[in-house]
Amino acid sequence: GAGVSQSPSNKVTEKGKDVELRCDPISGHTALYWYRQSLGQGLEFLIYFQGNSAPDKSGLPSDRFSAERTGGSVSTLTIQRTQQEDSAVYLCASSKAGTSDETQYFGPGTRLLVL
Amino acid sequence: SQKIEQNSEALNIQEGKTATLTCNYTNYSPAYLQWYRQDPGRGPVFLLLIRENEKEKRKERLKVTFDTTLKQSLFHITASQPADSATYLCALETGRRALTFGSGTRLQVQP
Repeated sequence: GAGVSQSPSNKVTEKGKDVELRCDPISGHTALYWYRQSLGQGLEFLIYFQGNSAPDKSGLPSDRFSAERTGGSVSTLTIQRTQQEDSAVYLCASSKAGTSDETQYFGPGTRLLVL
Repeated sequence: SQKIEQNSEALNIQEGKTATLTCNYTNYSPAYLQWYRQDPGRGPVFLLLIRENEKEKRKERLKVTFDTTLKQSLFHITASQPADSATYLCALETGRRALTFGSGTRLQVQP
């Protein structure tokens, strides 16, 4: 595909349920980022993957959040036992080689609503 | 504490005028700064990057300045058009691979 894709585009869930959000980065991009954007707020860094290196998980807000990147491509962000404060837009981005001055290409996001 | 501040109030200007958006930061020493545009329901789109040793960077109708003494970046759109209406985010290099973003300023260009 031409850009970063994310699915689902919208997700409504009940408090306490688990959710999985998917990100397909641009082909050939080795770096992948997850951010969270709450209403009217800036982007909050969650986790970063670069090639086969150990991910930078320093932004994950709690141990209910985890992410995987299989085969160096697709990534899944999992939120266990969702809480209402998890409601936000979850954005994925990718870049070519993961140097910090590179352009990050963002997907359209997944809008998560926890009831 | 470390902060990135962008004017949270919307900026309303008339078509054809120059829009100037401000990004101030405290307790960071970024090697560079980026500006992104975000439309409603979409992810941010990269516009410009400016490094700490650069005073000014231009791209078509866009101009960015970076004053490391004032800890401030200004983002200008000249000859603004209604299509420029969007939220503009500044993002700093803060010593890790991921960027640290401000909360953005919404620009509304009136025809």
